[in-house]
Amino acid sequence: SQQGEEDPQALSIQEGENATMNCSYKTSINNLQWYRQNSGRGLVHLILIRSNEREKHSGRLRVTLDTSKKSSSLLITASRAADTASYFCATRSGGYQKVTFGIGTKLQVIP
Amino acid sequence: IAGITQAPTSQILAAGRRMTLRCTQDMRHNAMYWYRQDLGLGLRLIHYSNTAGTTGKGEVPDGYSVSRANTDDFPLTLASAVPSQTSVYFCASNTGGTDNQPQHFGDGTRLSIL
Repeated sequence: SQQGEEDPQALSIQEGENATMNCSYKTSINNLQWYRQNSGRGLVHLILIRSNEREKHSGRLRVTLDTSKKSSSLLITASRAADTASYFCATRSGGYQKVTFGIGTKLQVIP
Repeated sequence: IAGITQAPTSQILAAGRRMTLRCTQDMRHNAMYWYRQDLGLGLRLIHYSNTAGTTGKGEVPDGYSVSRANTDDFPLTLASAVPSQTSVYFCASNTGGTDNQPQHFGDGTRLSIL
């Protein structure tokens, strides 16, 4: 079963608008990561937030983490057509090297 | 350019045939992973390797085997392919260790089993 579940599964916005994607998970985590996947390509890491952090920024990306609600959000501000991609959250739990990926949010930014 | 190379990029295979997907990284990463990506199911871990000489089973290991003879290479073998193994396969790597670092992904192998 998937640890992370993204919401919504698909999102379509106009260029310039903000895009918010949410991720919920079930068990305690060490950290949560967000990845992006362009069509036909592999995943690319965007940002990592540790379990003791509440918010993190990277350029136009803002990630929040609420461990009490077991949820995270990824905000992309001032979206561009080039942001069109699928976005995945991934969680790491326990002592494993493995991360568990959600099923992703497919974002379409319309020029 | 440093990264992960997967081969082939795509393959059509008859059921029952043996197939090895290749993965090579030049980042000297200790840990490597194989995932399959299916619509509606996201990425699921097949096998992983924390360091050369060791491997472990992921979420969906049945029908697949791996080896890690050296740091750079992590081939995935389907001993006798079945149609349910039609998928996109991604290899990934990271530095390993106790503080999980971001994974670097190859661009995938699109495999169709007929």
